[in-house]
Amino acid sequence: KNEVEQSPQNLTAQEGEFITINCSYSVGISALHWLQQHPGGGIVSLFMLSSGKKKHGRLIATINIQEKHSSLHITASHPRDSAVYICAVRNMDSNYQLIWGAGTKLIIKP
Amino acid sequence: DTAVSQTPKYLVTQMGNDKSIKCEQNLGHDTMYWYKQDSKKFLKIMFSYNNKELIINETVPNRFSPKSPDKAHLNLHINSLELGDSAVYFCASSRDSHGYTFGSGTRLTVV
Repeated sequence: KNEVEQSPQNLTAQEGEFITINCSYSVGISALHWLQQHPGGGIVSLFMLSSGKKKHGRLIATINIQEKHSSLHITASHPRDSAVYICAVRNMDSNYQLIWGAGTKLIIKP
Repeated sequence: DTAVSQTPKYLVTQMGNDKSIKCEQNLGHDTMYWYKQDSKKFLKIMFSYNNKELIINETVPNRFSPKSPDKAHLNLHINSLELGDSAVYFCASSRDSHGYTFGSGTRLTVV
């Protein structure tokens, strides 16, 4: 079993739909990151969380430390949100290493 | 100004050659990283470098070596390139509890 599991692996939705991507982890962490990789390959860091909830524009990220679970939500989704969304956790035992989820490929159809 | 810049963006080279990928960050971050993204899109850490402390992923072949002339640079040298080295390589940087900033990636193709 991977230490970081994301679901779903693939998600196709219509423009305007509310999107949720889930991330569960099994190790002790000091932080959790959500990243976005565009079709062109570039990676953008969206959020870093250690507790609670963060919002940036139409993106919302939440984390429940007790349940070892995080969600990334996209409101009013748009075709430009189409990308791979990656959850990564910073292992508490290693300040430098990130453990990566496999990513969720999101396609938003117009 | 680009925060984390990698060069070159694309690199095509023959097996057996030695090549380098450069990475520079102008964010004042104290830790830099190299990641390899394989064909399944998994990102695997290769090296991290913090305050002159190098942490190596033990699964990385010793043909790969990082070189950090200063805090703002972490270059990746690869000797005797093999077909299996073809991948996208990402440089990144971070500072303490702040988030990561990634370079745009270098697509290496070994022929």
